[in-house]
Amino acid sequence: NAGVTQTPKFRVLKTGQSMTLLCAQDMNHEYMYWYRQDPGMGLRLIHYSVGEGTTAKGEVPDGYNVSRLKKQNFLLGLESAAPSQTSVYFCASSGSGRAGDTQYFGPGTRLTVL
Amino acid sequence: QKEVEQDPGPLSVPEGAIVSLNCTYSNSAFQYFMWYRQYSRKGPELLMYTYSSGNKEDGRFTAQVDKSSKYISLFIRDSQPSDSATYLCATLSGTYKYIFGTGTRLKVLA
Repeated sequence: NAGVTQTPKFRVLKTGQSMTLLCAQDMNHEYMYWYRQDPGMGLRLIHYSVGEGTTAKGEVPDGYNVSRLKKQNFLLGLESAAPSQTSVYFCASSGSGRAGDTQYFGPGTRLTVL
Repeated sequence: QKEVEQDPGPLSVPEGAIVSLNCTYSNSAFQYFMWYRQYSRKGPELLMYTYSSGNKEDGRFTAQVDKSSKYISLFIRDSQPSDSATYLCATLSGTYKYIFGTGTRLKVLA
């Protein structure tokens, strides 16, 4: 039981390049989330999904797109990377969006945009 | 004003000390509060959650919510070097919208 996994662990991009971050969970969770974590800003929600085929915007969605074609996977795309997108990205999943239902986080992807 | 505010620290304490970590929040409608622990270069993991006011204890950890002052606390008794991590407070706004504090970095010295 791997929990939540993220690919890749590290990546360096040049401004304007694109990339996709992959999140996979093996807990059959309905809800999945993408966060970014920056010093002094805490965790901020980028996009989330409440089930297969659904996605919605979070607090800081600009410059990112997501897809949830399969229940176990949640992809985060950067179409044209900017230095402001340098951050640590965390994926999380939970069975529901209710409190008391634990949110499980992946190990993170460290992205640097030059 | 941020919806959840947390002193970033760092906080250094000797092994065995009682640690007090605190957050304030702005919206009196928030009901659920969580504490996460995040080790360096790892994802956050849920430590405890509480509902409304009162205390909740789990081993060496106690979470406390004071709704009258919009103040949440995490106490760690008999702190250990393995407790050295960043502690994040969080609340839930409606469903699925978790709001996190910036985290307090704790170092327990052996």
